[in-house]
Amino acid sequence: EVQLVESGGGLVQPGRSLRLSCTASGFTFDDYAMHWVRQAPGKGLEWVSGISWNSGGIAYADSVKGRFTISRDNAKNSLYLQMHSLRPEDMALYYCAKDIGGSPWYMDVWGKGTTVTVSS
Amino acid sequence: DIQLTQSPSFLSASVGDRVTITCRASQGISNYLAWYQQKPGKAPKLLIYAASTLQSGVPSRFSGSGSGTEFTLTITSLQPDDFATYYCQQVNSYRLTFGGGTKVEIK
Repeated sequence: EVQLVESGGGLVQPGRSLRLSCTASGFTFDDYAMHWVRQAPGKGLEWVSGISWNSGGIAYADSVKGRFTISRDNAKNSLYLQMHSLRPEDMALYYCAKDIGGSPWYMDVWGKGTTVTVSS
Repeated sequence: DIQLTQSPSFLSASVGDRVTITCRASQGISNYLAWYQQKPGKAPKLLIYAASTLQSGVPSRFSGSGSGTEFTLTITSLQPDDFATYYCQQVNSYRLTFGGGTKVEIK
């Protein structure tokens, strides 16, 4: 079964950092691009960042560029999101999502998400 | 960034109805558009990609069409399981954006 499990969310003060992880199973992880998508409480979906299968292609939403860094470790079947200088508006449920493969980027498998709360 | 505007943002419909949701892009995106369904407390589910390609396992009552700047998601004969929020998503230069969503509720 294809599965994505996020972890690392929690309560953090504004300005601090947090690192999210996503562990993949049930598919050949290094064949696919991966993404982070977030959803603030009661709001819509917002794509955060994506990374190609070999980390050669990386993109960010303008709202997080310069503060967040996406990375992956194909040997560990894991995706990461390092978040710095967190703001209250970063508070959301963060989903890890698998790309469908090929070009362009669409997401066909999603995790259940990990919640990030930014508050003093 | 390319903006996506969905309409309506909310619609009330009955089981068996034909439902159409529109997604308009602020500039042409060829057919680089997907549709997702999200139910409360659940992760989104991919329904359609490349504007009109049905994702494996998705019922054939769902269909997508359009290219350039205007796209539609159609559900023929709405089923109880279809009451959810629907989002469009575009890709341009490996930058992704979602529409604001359309909530489909039971009339």
